Amino acid sequence: EAGVAQSPRYKIIEKRQSVAFWCNPISGHATLYWYQQILGQGPKLLIQFQNNGVVDDSQLPKDRFSAERLKGVDSTLKIQPAKLEDSAVYLCASSSVGGTLDEQYFGPGTRLTVT
Amino acid sequence: GDSVTQMEGPVTLSEEAFLTINCTYTATGYPSLFWYVQYPGEGLQLLLKATKADDKGSNKGFEATYRKETTSFHLEKGSVQVSDSAVYFCALSTNTGNQFYFGTGTSLTVIP
Repeated sequence: EAGVAQSPRYKIIEKRQSVAFWCNPISGHATLYWYQQILGQGPKLLIQFQNNGVVDDSQLPKDRFSAERLKGVDSTLKIQPAKLEDSAVYLCASSSVGGTLDEQYFGPGTRLTVT
Repeated sequence: GDSVTQMEGPVTLSEEAFLTINCTYTATGYPSLFWYVQYPGEGLQLLLKATKADDKGSNKGFEATYRKETTSFHLEKGSVQVSDSAVYFCALSTNTGNQFYFGTGTSLTVIP
């Protein structure tokens, strides 16, 4: 079974530029999560999708971050414009159903550096 | 709000030593608790979980018991191996399943 795929693996941009990250979850997984992991901290959940609907985006900075999962499969997370403090690893995870009992499977992450 | 606090690292142990990584939580209601592990160069993966008070999660020789009275979920292993070297994250999910909170991670290095 293929795992969660993310691209790119690394990205370096200047502040005020835009960037997009892509995630392809495990086939058949209904729930998809985006996390931000700043160096030295634990992952912070940004947004959770159930199929193509948003379950929770309370911690997503909506003035600059956006995410979509149009067909209920792969997803894109965008930052526009980027700030220095957005430098982090962006993790995508998926689970078959969602909720407290369901294991999340994580991708390798995209390391973003904003200069 | 809900949160997880885990002991700071890094932790360095000799092979076959006993491991404890402390984790305490703050939550309303009845959260589920997890330990995730990140081996060098790999993504996060679930190590064990417990969904209600007094439940014990176990996997690969690791154990953790959900203690509601002390709001704790400490990770233990009786005899660590070099292959256990990794970063360990304690996490909770709210009883609605809509929010997940991770601790800051504890780096473990096991030396032969």
